[in-house]
Amino acid sequence: NAGVTQTPKFRILKIGQSMTLQCTQDMNHNYMYWYRQDPGMGLKLIYYSVGAGITDKGEVPNGYNVSRSTTEDFPLRLELAAPSQTSVYFCASLYSSGNTIYFGEGSWLTVV
Amino acid sequence: ELKVEQNPLFLSMQEGKNYTIYCNYSTTSDRLYWYRQDPGKSLESLFVLLSNGAVKQEGRLMASLDTKARLSTLHITAAVHDLSATYFCAVADNTDKLIFGTGTRLQVFP
Repeated sequence: NAGVTQTPKFRILKIGQSMTLQCTQDMNHNYMYWYRQDPGMGLKLIYYSVGAGITDKGEVPNGYNVSRSTTEDFPLRLELAAPSQTSVYFCASLYSSGNTIYFGEGSWLTVV
Repeated sequence: ELKVEQNPLFLSMQEGKNYTIYCNYSTTSDRLYWYRQDPGKSLESLFVLLSNGAVKQEGRLMASLDTKARLSTLHITAAVHDLSATYFCAVADNTDKLIFGTGTRLQVFP
């Protein structure tokens, strides 16, 4: 059981470049979430999904896109990277409401 | 819109002392989570609280939930250095949006 797997772990992007952060879970979880955490701050919800084919905006969705074509995968796309998107990104999942939420190890992204 | 506030934001405690972290939220919810985060690490689940009056304990930490007051507490008993970390509460609204509090950075010193 791998749990929640995020790739890449570290990435440096130039302003205006695009990239996709991958998130995969092997626990058959319905709910998946993407958060960003700026240095010394709390977690802000970017997008979330309650099942395959369903996504919804969180607190800070601007500059990001997501898709949920399968139960296992929930990729986060940055289309035009900006320095303000420098952050640590966490993916999380849970089976259904009331259960423990599992987090990935995080992806450290720097935009220069 | 769901808002989640924690206080204090920073807590410096002497070993052996007791203290409480508070988590207030703005809309009706019956699901509240507590997490711990060490520097440079991911989040570790501590407690899941699902009903009014729920109380859970693990070691020196005890969490409770009052859904009527929209308040959860994380009580630390006889703090030890190993408890030094940042603690977050998170609340789910009725659309399953999961919002985190600002975090409480706990430092325990001898």
